[in-house]
Order: sequence, then C-alpha cells, then structure tokens
Amino acid sequence: NFMLTQPHSVSESAGKTVTIYCTRDSGNIASDYVQWYQHRPGSSPMNVIYEDNQRPSGVPARFSGSIDSSSNSASLSISGLKTEDEADYYCQSFDSSTHSWVFGGGTKVTVL
Amino acid sequence: EVQLVESGGGLVQPGGSLRLSCAASGFAFNNYDMHWVRQPAGKGLEWISTIDSAADTYYADSVKGRFSVSGEDAKNSLNLQMNSLRAGDTGIYYCARGSNLNDGFDIWGQGTMVTVSP
Repeated sequence: NFMLTQPHSVSESAGKTVTIYCTRDSGNIASDYVQWYQHRPGSSPMNVIYEDNQRPSGVPARFSGSIDSSSNSASLSISGLKTEDEADYYCQSFDSSTHSWVFGGGTKVTVL
Repeated sequence: EVQLVESGGGLVQPGGSLRLSCAASGFAFNNYDMHWVRQPAGKGLEWISTIDSAADTYYADSVKGRFSVSGEDAKNSLNLQMNSLRAGDTGIYYCARGSNLNDGFDIWGQGTMVTVSP
C-alpha cells in the first residue's frame, strides 16, 4: 500500500503560477501513472491531467503535469491563474499490489 | 452524449441498507472498468469499488464485506448495494468510468447524496 500526500491549501494571485505537489510515501512515483482532477464545489470532478503529463481534450494548456523521481512526487502547475481555477485538486494513482485506486487528500487552490 | 446519472441516494438509519444505481448512456458500460468514488462530508475523494470489464469486483477495505457492486447489461447500468451503513458512510457518491488508456477516471456522474443518521 502507498499513500499520496498533498498540501491542504495553496493560494496565489490572479495571473500568476501555482504548483501543487503530490508525494508518494512508498514505491516509485514513476511506476504507476498519476492523474489530476479538478473538483469545483457543486460539480463533478474533472480530469485535467492523465498519464503524469497529458492534457485531455478541452483542458487549457495553462495546466501542466510532471513527475520527479528524486522527490518521489508528481506536480500540477496552473499558469495564468484565473478565478475559475479556484477548486480542489486531487492527484490519483493505481496501487497494483492491492488492485486499488489511491487519491491524494486534495489541495484547495485559492486565487487572490 | 456520454453520460452517467446516479440515483438512489437518501437518508437511512445506521445499520440500514441502500441501493445506488448509475445509468450509463452513449457507451456500453460493460466495455469499461466502472467505479464508485465517494466524498465523505468535509473530506476528500475516496475510491470505494470497481467492477471491471470482465465483471471482476474490487473494494476498498473501508467497505469490504458491506458493499457489493454489480452490473445490469440490459439497463446499461451498475448498482452499488450498501449494507450495514454507518455514519462514516455519509457523503456524496459518484459513479465514474475508467479510462481505457490508463488507470484514471475519464467520465463522472453528478453524484448522489447518502446520509446515514438516526
């Protein structure tokens, strides 16, 4: 089993760039793809990054993802922040040892 | 249009049962892994159950032995039978389609609220 840890919240001014980190506590972050979801209050979650760094059709290029094996983390960056980006963001991966899907605890992004 | 619509949520007493349904449209659900993900009140997303395209089922430890997922091919829908419900099961329950490309979720329903309270 592994856990994915995210900061509880981050905030940044409109137009700036914010980066959210998702740290895997055991096993290699690169061994299973990481997805990211945006979850606005009152709406359903929406996939914004899949397979570590791929953007689904319709997701703006302002959203980008990466992984860093040295820190065993994945990250989601949002550039040119807009008020509409205010939401909770979750990382997610698959634990093949237990055949279970793992979510990080979520990060609330506030646009100042 | 590809869509998932959940139903069946409501208020139930501790120890009671509830059956959620998820109607799929625009695709054949039994060609995909289909998942249930919940958001407990005030908390984050939690994966709880999957039925894959081979009809194999998987459960999170938190619901194993109490919840059961099944598919209804004729209705193109899946169900989640929830028994021995506890206060900690309170939350929004989402049905989600598994991506055929990776182990993520590409389509989500709007969610249905389950409240477990005396």
